[in-house]
Amino acid sequence: QVQLQESGPGLVKPSQTLSLTCTVSGGSISSGGYYWSWIRQHPGKGLEWIGYIYYSGSTYYNPSLKSRVTISVDTSKNQFSLKLSSVTAADTAVYYCAREEVAGMAYWGQGTLVTVSS
Amino acid sequence: VIWMTQSPSLLSASTGDRVTISCRMSQGISSYLAWYQQKPGKAPELLIYAASTLQSGVPSRFSGSGSGTDFTLTISCLQSEDFATYYCQQYYSFPRTFGQGTKVEIK
Repeated sequence: QVQLQESGPGLVKPSQTLSLTCTVSGGSISSGGYYWSWIRQHPGKGLEWIGYIYYSGSTYYNPSLKSRVTISVDTSKNQFSLKLSSVTAADTAVYYCAREEVAGMAYWGQGTLVTVSS
Repeated sequence: VIWMTQSPSLLSASTGDRVTISCRMSQGISSYLAWYQQKPGKAPELLIYAASTLQSGVPSRFSGSGSGTDFTLTISCLQSEDFATYYCQQYYSFPRTFGQGTKVEIK
């Protein structure tokens, strides 16, 4: 059974860089055929897709965040990561990692709340 | 960017009711649509993909229909565990986009 788990600081200061890692177990990131994705949810709001990385390293970012987002992959650790620079309070959200396949996003991490505050 | 209009945003219903949620796209997406259920404090769970295919383990009271620009999620007989928020999501093109969500609450 594939499982995903987010990790990283729960508190980030304004103007700094938010960094999260998603560790995948029960399956290999290198197996191909999946988009390894980040999605966020502002408190009490809907879901916002941030971007994805393929095991080869190719990426696609949401144009609304593109200038501040970097997603990378470490196949040796079976992990992929999110960096969001120059954060403000508007970036306070629950961040999820997920695996997208031809049939939607069947596997999600539990989510991690990141608060941007001084 | 494909914009999605999901309605209603809030639906009050009773156990045993049949409920319908709509999702309309700003352009055609064939059948590249998924529906998710989210309960408070939890990650979304995939219910339906390819507009009408039930994810493994999802009860048969859930069904999806539509193609192109108009899609529907139906719960045929609402159960207590179905009170939650539902989202549609298109995976026809990038960036992926979600509907605004429909909260199904107890009437």
